[in-house]
Amino acid sequence: NAGVTQTPKFQVLKTGQSMTLQCAQDMNHEYMSWYRQDPGMGLRLIHYSVGAGITDQGEVPNGYNVSRSTTEDFPLRLLSAAPSQTSVYFCASRTRTQETQYFGPGTRLLVL
Amino acid sequence: SQQGEEDPQALSIQEGENATMNCSYKTSINNLQWYRQNSGRGLVHLILIRSNEREKHSGRLRVTLDTSKKSSSLLITASRAADTASYFCATDASGGSYIPTFGRGTSLIVHP
Repeated sequence: NAGVTQTPKFQVLKTGQSMTLQCAQDMNHEYMSWYRQDPGMGLRLIHYSVGAGITDQGEVPNGYNVSRSTTEDFPLRLLSAAPSQTSVYFCASRTRTQETQYFGPGTRLLVL
Repeated sequence: SQQGEEDPQALSIQEGENATMNCSYKTSINNLQWYRQNSGRGLVHLILIRSNEREKHSGRLRVTLDTSKKSSSLLITASRAADTASYFCATDASGGSYIPTFGRGTSLIVHP
C-alpha cells in the first residue's frame, strides 16, 4: 500500500490564484481530513469527510472547499489564494472503527 | 479552538535522560493519542489511550491519563538522539466529529 499520498509537494501561488491540493489513500479508509500547520499553531482542522459524498467543516474552513466523490480521494480547493494561506497542508485518513490517523507527507504552499 | 495544549513548548535533554511532556485538554474525550513529527515530515501515530484507561506502555513510551484533571503525560525513557522531534497530543472528543484535534506540540531535542 502507498498509504496517504499528497501532490504537489511544494507550490507557489500568486494572490488570487486558485488551485487544488490532491490527497489520495489506498487503504479503503472511510474518514479523511485536511489540516494546516503553521509555526507555533500546531495542526488545525480545515475540513473532513466521514464517507463518500459527506463533508463537514473543521476549525478553519474559510477560503477552502472540499468534495468526496470517491472513498480514495479528498481534494482541497483554494478558491482565491491569500498570503494568510501560506502553510503546510496535511491530509490524513482513518477507518471508522480505528482511531489511529495516517498522515500524508504534506504540501508546502507559499502564497505571494 | 484547539482542544489539547502541550507543555512544555520546548524541551532539551541529554541522551539517556528521560523526557516528559504533558497535555491538557478542555472537554470530555473518548481517547487521547500521541503523535510524533520529524522535521518537515508528516505525523506518525505513537500510542492511544482510552478514557477508561489510566496508563499504557509501548516500548520506551509510557502514557498516563487523568480524566479528572483533563491531562495526560508522555514519558520517553532513556532518550536517544533519534527521538528528536515534535510531539503532539490529539483528543477525540466525546460526541464530536471523530476527527481528532491537535495541540501546538512539544519540540524535543536530545543531544548526543
